[in-house]
Amino acid sequence: AQKITQTQPGMFVQEKEAVTLDCTYDTSDPSYGLFWYKQPSSGEMIFLIYQGSYDQQNATEGRYSLNFQKARKSANLVISASQLGDSAMYFCAMRDLGANNLFFGTGTRLTVIP
Amino acid sequence: NAGVTQTPKFRILKIGQSMTLQCTQDMNHNYMYWYRQDPGMGLKLIYYSVGAGITDKGEVPNGYNVSRSTTEDFPLRLELAAPSQTSVYFCATSPMGGVSNQPQHFGDGTRLSIL
Repeated sequence: AQKITQTQPGMFVQEKEAVTLDCTYDTSDPSYGLFWYKQPSSGEMIFLIYQGSYDQQNATEGRYSLNFQKARKSANLVISASQLGDSAMYFCAMRDLGANNLFFGTGTRLTVIP
Repeated sequence: NAGVTQTPKFRILKIGQSMTLQCTQDMNHNYMYWYRQDPGMGLKLIYYSVGAGITDKGEVPNGYNVSRSTTEDFPLRLELAAPSQTSVYFCATSPMGGVSNQPQHFGDGTRLSIL
């Protein structure tokens, strides 16, 4: 069964605007962690932000924030004040109790338009 | 501070050839992973290791082998290369597994084509 679903293959956003990238997940474990990674065209994987299932508040890291809705099993990434350098693939990933690896979604390609 | 180093960056193999993808880390992390990323897809786990001398299969282990003789090194071996193994291979490390807020740190990847 698919553990992570990213339904937006591609997204466009105007420079300086905010954008939300969707991620839903599936797990029966009460304890899990959600991660977002950025993959620019150069190919490396860059860690952006983490949300734990027991965290009371939504995670924030600079211009990145995570809209965590536990009951809906969604963990959407919000990028504020988009910059041209934000153009990249974005992957949502999950690690649940007892799993040592990350399960990745298929990614969303974000293009920032000047 | 090198982090996670993968070699080579690019390689073209002929069907049936074998090769080893190298991964070295200087972060003193116990956990190491090998993922493959097919075009337009997310990463899928091939093998992982929780420490020297311990390895285990991931989602897509067929056609690959690994070993972990030291904390630093985690090589991935392809014995009989097949076109289906054309992919980008990523090595990653983390200080611990399970439910942890510690992210995995990735190498820059090895782009492998099998013709």
